[in-house]
Amino acid sequence: QQQVKQSPQSLIVQKGGISIINCAYENTAFDYFPWYQQFPGKGPALLIAIRPDVSEKKEGRFTISFNKSAKQFSLHIMDSQPGDSATYFCAAKSRAAGNKLTFGGGTRVLVKP
Amino acid sequence: NAGVTQTPKFRVLKTGQSMTLLCAQDMNHEYMYWYRQDPGMGLRLIHYSVGEGTTAKGEVPDGYNVSRLKKQNFLLGLESAAPSQTSVYFCASRDSEYQETQYFGPGTRLLVL
Repeated sequence: QQQVKQSPQSLIVQKGGISIINCAYENTAFDYFPWYQQFPGKGPALLIAIRPDVSEKKEGRFTISFNKSAKQFSLHIMDSQPGDSATYFCAAKSRAAGNKLTFGGGTRVLVKP
Repeated sequence: NAGVTQTPKFRVLKTGQSMTLLCAQDMNHEYMYWYRQDPGMGLRLIHYSVGEGTTAKGEVPDGYNVSRLKKQNFLLGLESAAPSQTSVYFCASRDSEYQETQYFGPGTRLLVL
């Protein structure tokens, strides 16, 4: 049973467009929600993260929106660039569960020039 | 700093063979993790360690064993490989309980025939 559900599995966006990836969770004990970016042949790397007491966090062209009541959070990539083409994973952590990360299934993003 | 390194990068095994995957980190991190990555399933935690000499089971521990004899190394063993263990394996490390970011290695691609 996947505790963090991520959609879509893949998306194609034109250069300059907006990429939106959504995640939903069930466990209300989750207290930290990171997004990881993975390029082909590489390991994932932390992109941006948010805590549930904040509704939005922005770092450059990347924004996390967090809806605690709906138990959903999303990643928005503004002005998408070909260099953003990668697989993106959302994740969630619960201190009560030993601070282990639970990952979503991943979204492969392709930005066309 | 090399960060997190993994050995080997790629390996082919026959069913029933054994092997050990090595993860090393030079950041003096307390926590280390082993994940497997399969298409559409994100990263699933196999085993983890919260310090030298400690290990604990993750989400999918069956068929794997681990050891953390030295703080900088975390070994993942497959005693009798099965085709279902064909996957990409990632090691990650985290500084301490108060630092959330996990740093991933480049991965080991394993094919079990």
